[in-house]
Amino acid sequence: GAVVSQHPSRVICKSGTSVKIECRSLDFQATTMFWYRQFPKKSLMLMATSNEGSKATYEQGVEKDKFLINHASLTLSTLTVTSAHPEDSSFYICSARDQIHEQFFGPGTRLTVL
Amino acid sequence: GENVEQHPSTLSVQEGDSAVIKCTYSDSASNYFPWYKQELGKRPQLIIDIRSNVGEKKDQRIAVTLNKTAKHFSLHITETQPEDSAVYFCAAPRDTGFQKLVFGTGTRLLVSP
Repeated sequence: GAVVSQHPSRVICKSGTSVKIECRSLDFQATTMFWYRQFPKKSLMLMATSNEGSKATYEQGVEKDKFLINHASLTLSTLTVTSAHPEDSSFYICSARDQIHEQFFGPGTRLTVL
Repeated sequence: GENVEQHPSTLSVQEGDSAVIKCTYSDSASNYFPWYKQELGKRPQLIIDIRSNVGEKKDQRIAVTLNKTAKHFSLHITETQPEDSAVYFCAAPRDTGFQKLVFGTGTRLLVSP
């Protein structure tokens, strides 16, 4: 299957700081990438859909000014958690969609906000 | 919009037994149904998927069946092994473009040696 990388894998930050997470499709071009949030022992919650060259679309209840998404190229999407607070602590996972609808996930980023 | 329900939430089997996980969906237009396996702290990995033009698909010990009339699909794992222990998620498309997926709540499978 296709390979998706995500960086960093783990980040600990102080409350009020911003954190940027990168998602890259390594061996295919992804016009669409997705950002999910996963709480412990829970399912994947879609936060936003990232389309190359256009603005991201956010799911209901997700603050676009809080979670900034940029899809700079066909292989890179970034999620910036702005002014992070402890309640933003979570496991963030990106995925990239190939031409035949399959979604391949990155390894995830565990964010801990102190 | 699409709604996906998954059962059971936990499943314990002995090594060598079969395991079956079931999902139901609500949108009759859905035509792509993937299954993901997620080990603790790791990424979800696509293990098998099925499209609505077939009723069953098999890949070694893993098979998926689809009943479009009843709007349900199932994951079957035969001859289970301890390394099959993980959380399994089913999913279905949420929109007509089949871009967004709606995930089930997950099934924690434990295979005891």
